[in-house]
Amino acid sequence: EVQLVESGGGSVQPGGSLRLSCAASGFSFSDHWMHWVRQGPGEGLVWVSRITTEGNGKDYAEFVKGRFTMSRDNAKNIVYLQLNGLRVDDTAVYYCTRSITYGSGDFDYWGQGTLVTVSS
Amino acid sequence: QSALTQPASVSGSLGQSITISCTGSSNDVGGYNYVSWHQQHPGKAPKLIISGVSNRPSGVSNRFSGSKSGNTASLTISGLQAEDEADYYCNSFTSSHKVVFGGGTKLTVL
Repeated sequence: EVQLVESGGGSVQPGGSLRLSCAASGFSFSDHWMHWVRQGPGEGLVWVSRITTEGNGKDYAEFVKGRFTMSRDNAKNIVYLQLNGLRVDDTAVYYCTRSITYGSGDFDYWGQGTLVTVSS
Repeated sequence: QSALTQPASVSGSLGQSITISCTGSSNDVGGYNYVSWHQQHPGKAPKLIISGVSNRPSGVSNRFSGSKSGNTASLTISGLQAEDEADYYCNSFTSSHKVVFGGGTKLTVL
């Protein structure tokens, strides 16, 4: 059974940092590009970032502006999202997901999400 | 990259059909056959219902269908059922190698 389990969310003050983790199981992790998608309270889905199978190709949404860094450890089947310089509008549930077709948005499995709250 | 444009809400009666549009540009929807649709019930993670414009993943009801014309993709749900009431999101691959979502459409089944 494919499972994606996020962790690392929490409450932080503006300007703070968090590292989100997503533990994958039940599939060949190193064969899939992985993505992070977030959803603010009462808002829609927003794509955040993606990483290629070997971890050497990454892309980010414009609003990230160098604040977030995505990485992966294929030996541990974990993908990470380092969040720095957090702002109030980064408050959201962050979902880890995998795509079927490399960089496209055909996200067939999702984690349960981890909540990041940025507030003073 | 601006979000794709979807109607904020649509409604339909049980058994009827509805269509949700998703409008982008030649840099995303119009330029690639990589449009997907996700369904999301309140408090739940999204579920993939259409990929590659019109492909249904295994286990997804054939009442869901997707299409595209120019810069606009569409999701049609036929034979509306109560459990179809949810939020629906389109997304597309873009020319800058990113993914962009639509703002989402709330479907109400009357």
